[in-house]
Amino acid sequence: AQSVTQLGSHVSVSEGALVLLRCNYSSSVPPYLFWYVQYPNQGLQLLLKYTSAATLVKGINGFEAEFKKSETSFHLTKPSAHMSDAAEYFCAVSVNTNAGKSTFGDGTTLTVKP
Amino acid sequence: NAGVTQTPKFQVLKTGQSMTLQCAQDMNHNSMYWYRQDPGMGLRLIYYSASEGTTDKGEVPNGYNVSRLNKREFSLRLESAAPSQTSVYFCASSEQGAFTEAFFGQGTRLTVV
Repeated sequence: AQSVTQLGSHVSVSEGALVLLRCNYSSSVPPYLFWYVQYPNQGLQLLLKYTSAATLVKGINGFEAEFKKSETSFHLTKPSAHMSDAAEYFCAVSVNTNAGKSTFGDGTTLTVKP
Repeated sequence: NAGVTQTPKFQVLKTGQSMTLQCAQDMNHNSMYWYRQDPGMGLRLIYYSASEGTTDKGEVPNGYNVSRLNKREFSLRLESAAPSQTSVYFCASSEQGAFTEAFFGQGTRLTVV
């Protein structure tokens, strides 16, 4: 079975600083990986996804993530944080052998300080 | 284009009461899902439907039932609500395939007292 671990349930950065949200996965078969963002009182929306085409994936709002098979990681980064980036972020993994059902991490709440 | 629509948005139930959460999508997706979200626990899959006419249990199905009414609609029923079912419930849909992303509704915030 696949699983996801998000390191750090809360991350706080200053506006303009680098954002780094960590995600490690476990899967016995090639995974597909996703980052979703959830703003307060809303559903999740896709930030970016890895589907094996390229290891560096660019998403919306200036976010990107790099798939590193050797480290089983898919960390999310943004060079310069904006106040509007404050939200909860979820990493998710799915595999072909599990009917495409995604397994989600516990989430990381990002706070951006002025 | 509404995407995934859930009703109701908020609900308070007494222990033992029943209710049905409704979900409809207008993206012609084959797969639909029900998740619950609890603080610090991410999203946990309750039930899913890979295609019209099929449903299957997820990680936490106890106390719930589902119906895939047609390709658009997927409902979640609580037959006898318990305080442990207090949560935020999300419906989602996707194309078939592990590489496809899910599209989520706005959620239903359910409190069982």
